[in-house]
Amino acid sequence: SQKIEQNSEALNIQEGKTATLTCNYTNYSPAYLQWYRQDPGRGPVFLLLIRENEKEKRKERLKVTFDTTLKQSLFHITASQPADSATYLCALSASGGSYIPTFGRGTSLIVHP
Amino acid sequence: KAGVTQTPRYLIKTRGQQVTLSCSPISGHRSVSWYQQTPGQGLQFLFEYFSETQRNKGNFPGRFSGRQFSNSRSEMNVSTLELGDSALYLCASSLTSWQGGDGYTFGSGTRLTVV
Repeated sequence: SQKIEQNSEALNIQEGKTATLTCNYTNYSPAYLQWYRQDPGRGPVFLLLIRENEKEKRKERLKVTFDTTLKQSLFHITASQPADSATYLCALSASGGSYIPTFGRGTSLIVHP
Repeated sequence: KAGVTQTPRYLIKTRGQQVTLSCSPISGHRSVSWYQQTPGQGLQFLFEYFSETQRNKGNFPGRFSGRQFSNSRSEMNVSTLELGDSALYLCASSLTSWQGGDGYTFGSGTRLTVV
């Protein structure tokens, strides 16, 4: 069956360090993958989208990589700040179908001052 | 520009009742999708509407229904509420069909509690 897996354990890092979050998937032929940020009680906020033929995408302090051989996406936040503390969700759209994104459960990031 | 507006923000209903949630997408966005979010299941896709037509549907029972109006505003309805329907219901709009690869813009959600 199709699965999207994100680390359920919270990631704790110190301010200024690079946070790296992982999204693994199985049994998908991906078209594109997205990353969202969600704060408690709020809707997710779109951050980045990367297509299956792209290796890397950047936006300010954010970087996403997409390795379709490893079936994995890495999401990096450089020079992390306490304000980056949130839950980060990955969402995968499969090719050949509706392209409706399926979301992972998310990983909580806590940046300590 | 205005974001995605969902009303109401909070709702408490009794088992067996029905509920209607409303979503106004970003102006110009024609696709509206609904998701249910619970701590146990995460974000689960309910349905997607595009130009007043339901284009995709998730694996939810027929008690969950929706519609989209000509101005792209959407409503979802849950009939015969069950305790397990307690969740955050999120509406998301996007500019075109998903094959265009646009990201979603989510509303803040409606927190439904069934007692």
